[in-house]
Amino acid sequence: GAVVSQHPSRVICKSGTSVKIECRSLDFQATTMFWYRQFPKQSLMLMATSNEGSKATYEQGVEKDKFLINHASLTLSTLTVTSAHPEDSSFYICSARVTGAPQETQYFGPGTRLLVL
Amino acid sequence: AQKVTQAQTEISVVEKEDVTLDCVYETRDTTYYLFWYKQPPSGELVFLIRRNSFDEQNEISGRYSWNFQKSTSSFNFTITASQVVDSAVYFCALNLNSNSGYALNFGKGTSLLVTP
Repeated sequence: GAVVSQHPSRVICKSGTSVKIECRSLDFQATTMFWYRQFPKQSLMLMATSNEGSKATYEQGVEKDKFLINHASLTLSTLTVTSAHPEDSSFYICSARVTGAPQETQYFGPGTRLLVL
Repeated sequence: AQKVTQAQTEISVVEKEDVTLDCVYETRDTTYYLFWYKQPPSGELVFLIRRNSFDEQNEISGRYSWNFQKSTSSFNFTITASQVVDSAVYFCALNLNSNSGYALNFGKGTSLLVTP
């Protein structure tokens, strides 16, 4: 089956530092990937849609300068949390749509837990 | 607007009981997909089912069954003879429209606790 990986799975950083999270589709190409954020005991909220070779589309209320997304290849999207603060501590999950497959065909990564001290 | 409502925040049952998790959705699209995911404490989302709007047949998979009713915009999930391992948060989701690249719009989730 299709596999999506995320790295790192867990990261602890100091306030003010930047953290990069990778989302990879291991056995398929993904023109489109999505980034979600989940605060404790809450639902998953879409942050942005990442399209290979073009700028990401951010949801309302998500700061594009703070959450930098790069989708430079068909198998990799990165989310960089710049100048992280404790309120950015969350569970970040990506999903990838299979290029050429029906639009409902997408797979989730295992998530990355970010703790900002 | 597209919206998914899971009115049950938490449910607690005793092992072997049947339990139904409710999901009500709103969409203006005529073509859409509904999903259920399980999220155990590890956090990883486990895909359970995907159903398109044109297929109203109920589905059964082992102890799991789903009841899709377009007339009431509901897509309920039933676990029969629940087990402790079923304890998790369950999310119902609706795929957003093409403007959002068909990302998923999740309900708030229902936390299910199955006790021995």
